[in-house]
Amino acid sequence: QSALTQPPSASGSPGQSVTISCTGTSSDVGGYNYVSWYQQHPGKAPKLIIFEVSKRPSGVPDRFSGSKSGNTASLTVSGLQGEDEADYYCSSYGSTNNLVFGGGTSLTVL
Amino acid sequence: QVHLQESGPGLVMPSGTLSLTCTVSDSSISSPYYWSWIRQPPGKGLEWIGTMYYSGATYYKSSLKSRVTMSVVLSRNQFSLDLSSVTAADTAIYYCARLPSLRNGGYLDSWGHGVLVTVSS
Repeated sequence: QSALTQPPSASGSPGQSVTISCTGTSSDVGGYNYVSWYQQHPGKAPKLIIFEVSKRPSGVPDRFSGSKSGNTASLTVSGLQGEDEADYYCSSYGSTNNLVFGGGTSLTVL
Repeated sequence: QVHLQESGPGLVMPSGTLSLTCTVSDSSISSPYYWSWIRQPPGKGLEWIGTMYYSGATYYKSSLKSRVTMSVVLSRNQFSLDLSSVTAADTAIYYCARLPSLRNGGYLDSWGHGVLVTVSS
């Protein structure tokens, strides 16, 4: 149950796109289409923004999109806005009925 | 819209037991959802602790399994977390959350606001 690997930081200017990667193994990310992404603003609880690799909950802007290739999942934020500045965490279901999170990526809007 | 609220002591003595309760509102805890605990040490990332179904089935992170117990109180629409033999490393914000399914999806769609628990003498 090792943590998934995310870059510690990412950045982009308003209007640009940024992609955050999340690398696991064939026992989690690569083995199931059960990757989710969470957005967390300072002092707030995490909020689900992507589930099952690429699905968006109701109310989440379509600027947020997810994908997966092999053992690596990705979150893309298009048309960056100031409110997108937050920490982002990936998560995956794992083969032993567990959930594993990534270490988190701090997104800065320049 | 389901609402979850964590409650419990904010300070626990080293070697003691951390006990938290999550009260679920606007949804029955016996509905077909799973219920989870996640923690976040100050300034660090999220860590899954465990997940349970109202019937009593439990799933724990392997490294915490020997110290964790999750249970449900149907009459109060609550579920709880007990973490024994705590150390300073267990200091964290503890969140409760809901999963529509563990084996089919594994995503947490509703979260409580979190409660900070500090382990210190």
